[in-house]
Amino acid sequence: DGGITQSPKYLFRKEGQNVTLSCEQNLNHDAMYWYRQDPGQGLRLIYYSQIVNDFQKGDIAEGYSVSREKKESFPLTVTSAQKNPTAFYLCASSIRAGTYEQFFGPGTRLTVL
Amino acid sequence: DAKTTQPPSMDCAEGRAANLPCNHSTISGNEYVYWYRQIHSQGPQYIIHGLKNNETNEMASLIITEDRKSSTLILPHATLRDTAVYYCIVRVGGTGGFKTIFGAGTRLFVKA
Repeated sequence: DGGITQSPKYLFRKEGQNVTLSCEQNLNHDAMYWYRQDPGQGLRLIYYSQIVNDFQKGDIAEGYSVSREKKESFPLTVTSAQKNPTAFYLCASSIRAGTYEQFFGPGTRLTVL
Repeated sequence: DAKTTQPPSMDCAEGRAANLPCNHSTISGNEYVYWYRQIHSQGPQYIIHGLKNNETNEMASLIITEDRKSSTLILPHATLRDTAVYYCIVRVGGTGGFKTIFGAGTRLFVKA
């Protein structure tokens, strides 16, 4: 089945540690995105990538980093510089950036202790 | 991208139509209206989108006013499984990057 996978579903880390969240898609989509969601809030865009080896900052990129070395993969690293990293992280993809529907993964709930 | 305004919550009886409103009074001519929904602790699911004409698919209908300043998502026969948060989003299309602004959405409760 085609889709987006994120792993793990739940992740716990100690404060001060960097952590990398996985996002893989087999939809052959060019564009991929990372969002953050806090309880009772909407989604906020962290980073997006329109094509391999290219990515752009979203609204809340500080304290995060990404890479796009392969079309299928868009990992997100939450660094120790992120002041409040505990949140629900969602990865999405679309055929191309722009007026195309986005397909979302199941999300990773990160808790920093 | 334009900001949207949605009611925080709505109730609907099972089997009846659910009409979810969205105001986007500052929408630009090249911005599309998108609707997504999110069931608790899952990723959002695309529902429908449109530019200025009304649209219908197997999930819902989208009615956009002539001045494009508001729209309504219609779920024709709501079921309990339609209980979710519904997001109305407007965004510019095309390449060159874009930003998608998800607000707090409308929490729809479908009751038996």
